[in-house]
Amino acid sequence: TQLLEQSPQFLSIQEGENLTVYCNSSSVFSSLQWYRQEPGEGPVLLVTVVTGGEVKKLKRLTFQFGDARKDSSLHITAAQPGDTGLYLCAGARGYNNNDMRFGAGTRLTVKP
Amino acid sequence: KAGVTQTPRYLIKTRGQQVTLSCSPISGHRSVSWYQQTPGQGLQFLFEYFSETQRNKGNFPGRFSGRQFSNSRSEMNVSTLELGDSALYLCASSLGRGGETQYFGPGTRLLVL
Repeated sequence: TQLLEQSPQFLSIQEGENLTVYCNSSSVFSSLQWYRQEPGEGPVLLVTVVTGGEVKKLKRLTFQFGDARKDSSLHITAAQPGDTGLYLCAGARGYNNNDMRFGAGTRLTVKP
Repeated sequence: KAGVTQTPRYLIKTRGQQVTLSCSPISGHRSVSWYQQTPGQGLQFLFEYFSETQRNKGNFPGRFSGRQFSNSRSEMNVSTLELGDSALYLCASSLGRGGETQYFGPGTRLLVL
């Protein structure tokens, strides 16, 4: 079983729609990161959240870290075809972020 | 500056063989972490090297090993390959002081026949 559960696994929407993907765990993390991965490439970091309850915005993307630092969500407003990709959440188990535990990912397709 | 590079990008091996993958981190980065990515299990942490020493280790069998050189370049070795070892192997580098961003390479796609 995954330490971090992401939902949904797959999401296909039309351009302009809004969406939310979730990342849940029973474990507490010192920080949580969201990545986007495109075919043939490695994951690219989108954001790191550290404080429980923290909300960060990156243009049309809004990231929230749960109060208990066990879960997170990513909301995309007015999705565009360029948002298509695999979205991964990853939790750091300690001070050293270099031991990360990843969720299985949400594969998002945004159709024009 | 140049990103993380991995060689080779693609590799085909047969069961029982061994393989060595290479990762060159971003200049100045001293930490290199390795991950295995498969459709069924997602991204799983293999190990991390910092200053030529293994600092963290995931739950993989001893067939998976690695090392880091004085210039921070790292290699990963898998011995006695199994079909289930087919995966995308990613490395990520960071400064290594803790709490900073990891930068991923494009990965090496390994197919075991």
